[in-house]
Amino acid sequence: KNEVEQSPQNLTAQEGEFITINCSYSVGISALHWLQQHPGGGIVSLFMLSSGKKKHGRLIATINIQEKHSSLHITASHPRDSAVYICARERGSQGNLIFGKGTKLSVKP
Amino acid sequence: KAGVTQTPRYLIKTRGQQVTLSCSPISGHRSVSWYQQTPGQGLQFLFEYFSETQRNKGNFPGRFSGRQFSNSRSEMNVSTLELGDSALYLCASSLGGQGARTEAFFGQGTRLTVV
Repeated sequence: KNEVEQSPQNLTAQEGEFITINCSYSVGISALHWLQQHPGGGIVSLFMLSSGKKKHGRLIATINIQEKHSSLHITASHPRDSAVYICARERGSQGNLIFGKGTKLSVKP
Repeated sequence: KAGVTQTPRYLIKTRGQQVTLSCSPISGHRSVSWYQQTPGQGLQFLFEYFSETQRNKGNFPGRFSGRQFSNSRSEMNVSTLELGDSALYLCASSLGGQGARTEAFFGQGTRLTVV
């Protein structure tokens, strides 16, 4: 069993829909990262959080430390949000990340 | 300011050869981490360097090595290449240091193909 589980694996949405991607992890963390990867490979760090909630534009990330669960929400989704979203648990030192398998999001116009 | 730069972007090597990949972090960042991404295994942590010292290492064979220079630029080396080493190799830089964690910035990656 992977230490970091994401769901769903694939997600298709219509433009404007509210989207939620879930991430569960099995052991304690020092930080939880949400990353976005577009075709071609480049990765963008969206959020790094260890408690509570963070918001950036239409993106919201929450984490529940007790339940070992995090969610990434996208409000008013847009085709340009189409990408693979990856959550990663930071273990010990910075940079030592355990990654989920990713959620492939496709937003249709 | 300039982002994380990885060179080369694409590379084709033959089995048994060795390869060196380079990563130039964002100016002022002292931590550089390397990751391997394959379709089968997804993203996996290789190692992390801070101030020229390897702070952590993932579960990869000794053929995978790295180093960091005094200007924080980092290189990773893979010796005796195998077909399974074909992957996208990504590096990420951050301010690093003890205390509060800081955001990581990723390069575009080097796509290595071993034939």
